[in-house]
Amino acid sequence: DTGVSQDPRHKITKRGQNVTFRCDPISEHNRLYWYRQTLGQGPEFLTYFQNEAQLEKSRLLSDRFSAERPKGSFSTLEIQRTEQGDSAMYLCASSSWTGKNTEAFFGQGTRLTVV
Amino acid sequence: AQKITQTQPGMFVQEKEAVTLDCTYDTSDQSYGLFWYKQPSSGEMIFLIYQGSYDEQNATEGRYSLNFQKARKSANLVISASQLGDSAMYFCAMREGTMRGKLIFGQGTELSVKP
Repeated sequence: DTGVSQDPRHKITKRGQNVTFRCDPISEHNRLYWYRQTLGQGPEFLTYFQNEAQLEKSRLLSDRFSAERPKGSFSTLEIQRTEQGDSAMYLCASSSWTGKNTEAFFGQGTRLTVV
Repeated sequence: AQKITQTQPGMFVQEKEAVTLDCTYDTSDQSYGLFWYKQPSSGEMIFLIYQGSYDEQNATEGRYSLNFQKARKSANLVISASQLGDSAMYFCAMREGTMRGKLIFGQGTELSVKP
């Protein structure tokens, strides 16, 4: 296991289509985060999981966005009815929670372009 | 509400010289963590250094050190002996409290190292 893995790395989709991204965290990490980063900005928090439980969701996460982590391992982020404003880099990160937070390690991201 | 401010959109430094990247933060929590990440053009966020709000000594990691001034709410990153490979975006981030996992990022500083 070499780090956080995201798939696909790039996705081009037509407006109105649904897309799904996958994130495989570092295997021993029980926390998994999703962030969105637009050009020239820092990443913005979307949601995070501890094991399979979704503990927090940002107001940025509209009804068109849904995230799951069904067995506490990999996670998926789905965007329904994509809009041009959804074009961004979607970053996944994982960390270990053992009563104390450790640093989060990020994947290389999925770059989404909605045309 | 917590906030991270990075006031330097871009910085230049000569190879082998030191450079300081500024970061100020705002929080009402007594317990928080401050992070610096590097983002090269490949997109991956690379963890550099961490400072806890109760840590009395400034954090150091190799060529990176964090100049933590709690009263001023600043957490500047110092990179010593700059290398060409240090050219990248640098993000300051804060995690509020010890239980929550999400990070709040600043807008970043683009560092260019000149030969």
